[in-house]
Amino acid sequence: AQSVAQPEDQVNVAEGNPLTVKCTYSVSGNPYLFWYVQYPNRGLQFLLKYITGDNLVKGSYGFEAEFNKSQTSFHLKKPSALVSDSALYFCAVRDMWGNTPLVFGKGTRLSVIA
Amino acid sequence: GAGVSQTPSNKVTEKGKYVELRCDPISGHTALYWYRQSLGQGPEFLIYFQGTGAADDSGLPNDRFFAVRPEGSVSTLKIQRTERGDSAVYLCASSSAGVNNEQFFGPGTRLTVL
Repeated sequence: AQSVAQPEDQVNVAEGNPLTVKCTYSVSGNPYLFWYVQYPNRGLQFLLKYITGDNLVKGSYGFEAEFNKSQTSFHLKKPSALVSDSALYFCAVRDMWGNTPLVFGKGTRLSVIA
Repeated sequence: GAGVSQTPSNKVTEKGKYVELRCDPISGHTALYWYRQSLGQGPEFLIYFQGTGAADDSGLPNDRFFAVRPEGSVSTLKIQRTERGDSAVYLCASSSAGVNNEQFFGPGTRLTVL
């Protein structure tokens, strides 16, 4: 069965500093990987995805993520954090054949402090 | 353009009652998904429609849960004989056909069973 682990419930970072939100996954075969963000009282918003090709994926709002097959990781990064980045971040995975549903991690709350 | 909409935004009901939750997907999206999100958890897959048919209902927790999408657009999630444990935020998402396409989420319906 496929799964996603987000080992940190909470990440705190100072505004202007780089941020990393960690994600590791388990899936049969090759993965399709996604990051979503959830702001208070709003639906999940798509940030970026890895399907194939370059391991470094760039997405919305200056976020990027690096696919590392050997470490089965897909960490979310941003070079310079903004206070407005404070939200709940979810990593998700499905297998490339589409035979299984999208599986989400439990989320990591990012707090950017001015 | 209009995103995914869900009604009602909040629903409070009594144990044992029947509820219906509605989802209006993005126009033209053939795939529609229902998820359930409990506090402190990521979205948990319930059911997936491709067009009018349920392609995967493996996430429905029991036979009290049922969903329909009769015309391939609007979907209704139906819960019979509600229990307190059904309290959660029910999320709907839609996407274009293709397993590598990102899903667009609605704001959710918060269901509270008293």
